[in-house]
Amino acid sequence: GQQLNQSPQSMFIQEGEDVSMNCTSSSIFNTWLWYKQDPGEGPVLLIALYKAGELTSNGRLTAQFGITRKDSFLNISASIPSDVGIYFCAGRYGAGNMLTFGGGTRLMVKP
Amino acid sequence: DGGITQSPKYLFRKEGQNVTLSCEQNLNHDAMYWYRQDPGQGLRLIYYSQIVNDFQKGDIAEGYSVSREKKESFPLTVTSAQKNPTAFYLCASSETGTSSPLHFGNGTRLTVT
Repeated sequence: GQQLNQSPQSMFIQEGEDVSMNCTSSSIFNTWLWYKQDPGEGPVLLIALYKAGELTSNGRLTAQFGITRKDSFLNISASIPSDVGIYFCAGRYGAGNMLTFGGGTRLMVKP
Repeated sequence: DGGITQSPKYLFRKEGQNVTLSCEQNLNHDAMYWYRQDPGQGLRLIYYSQIVNDFQKGDIAEGYSVSREKKESFPLTVTSAQKNPTAFYLCASSETGTSSPLHFGNGTRLTVT
């Protein structure tokens, strides 16, 4: 199947710092989704992007659908301890409904 | 409240035994999915179903089986043929249509010894 490269794999930051992570693909995607997973729980949808160039915010989170349709990034501003978790990107390509997931970015925040 | 319920949260089995994981949703979604997650890894698709009485293999279907007799339910059986069954299993559902995001349950952690 299609591959999504998500980076970085992990980040250890100080509370209050901004965070940026991204996903890239060799194929064109028509949907990008960003999820957060807390330990032992299922992923929760943060932001959904449906159009190239789209920039969407959800509180302190901002995500963009890349112009080339082959990438997306997620920014978190002014991080807080509860931002800790694993962030996954997911993309959909072609006419099907299947999602391809990135490998995740593990975020750790030091108070 | 609408949502997806997976049970049990933790499951322990002896090697060689089949085990069935439950997934129920009351979101009225047509599509349902099963993913496997290994420590530090992303999600890999096992099986999916777009409509009742129909399902398709995902990327890692070997050693697993599913059924979709009701819209609300999509149980996953981990058979003894699955070589490395210990993992975190996630069920998800969505409306059909290419723009529909997936909604996930809280997972079942299966340990086989």
